[in-house]
Amino acid sequence: QVQLVESGGGVVQPGRSLRLSCAASGFTFSLYPMHWVRQIPGKGLDWVAVISDDGSSKHYADSAKGRFTISRDNSKNTLYLQMNSLRPDDTAVYYCARGGVVGSSPPLDYWGQGTLVTVSS
Amino acid sequence: SYELTQPPSVSVSPGQTARITCSGDSLPTKYAYWYQQKSGRAPVLVIYEDTKRPSGIPERFSGSSSGTMATLTISGAQVEDEADYYCCSTDSSGKFWVFGGGTKLTVL
Repeated sequence: QVQLVESGGGVVQPGRSLRLSCAASGFTFSLYPMHWVRQIPGKGLDWVAVISDDGSSKHYADSAKGRFTISRDNSKNTLYLQMNSLRPDDTAVYYCARGGVVGSSPPLDYWGQGTLVTVSS
Repeated sequence: SYELTQPPSVSVSPGQTARITCSGDSLPTKYAYWYQQKSGRAPVLVIYEDTKRPSGIPERFSGSSSGTMATLTISGAQVEDEADYYCCSTDSSGKFWVFGGGTKLTVL
């Protein structure tokens, strides 16, 4: 069964960096694009970034551009989100989600349980 | 930046039909996806490509799309359908994804 497990969240001071990981299992990771989506507690879902199956193409929300970097290691079945220059408004639960493959599976069909990032001094 | 607009809340009695709308300028050419999120849980895909239902999702969930509006319909809503519902789509380029603000469905 498809499983996505995020890790790396925690409390970090403003201006510092944090790297999130998402370990994937139960499917051929290297065939799927992957997303990061975040949710401020009590608020709505906010798409952050997507990376293609081979890592060659990446796209970011305006809020993440220039500060966050999405990457993946297909040999380790792991997705990453490097977050730099963190701000208090980056405080959120960060989810990884599987992307879609045309004719095979819809986008954002499986999600991890999320990891909480708190940016506070 | 591209936006999807949903009503903040919808309320129905058990057994009634709940309709949640989502409007966006790119919806005539881009698919809508719908997610259910219950408190403290990760979102669950309930409708994809405007009208398709993933396996395991009850038949009372259906989707439609016309022009700049997509609609999630829950026919005969049940108490367990109480949740936040989010529409999702891409901008015209297909590269950037966006979620609607979410609709809180109350069934009581």
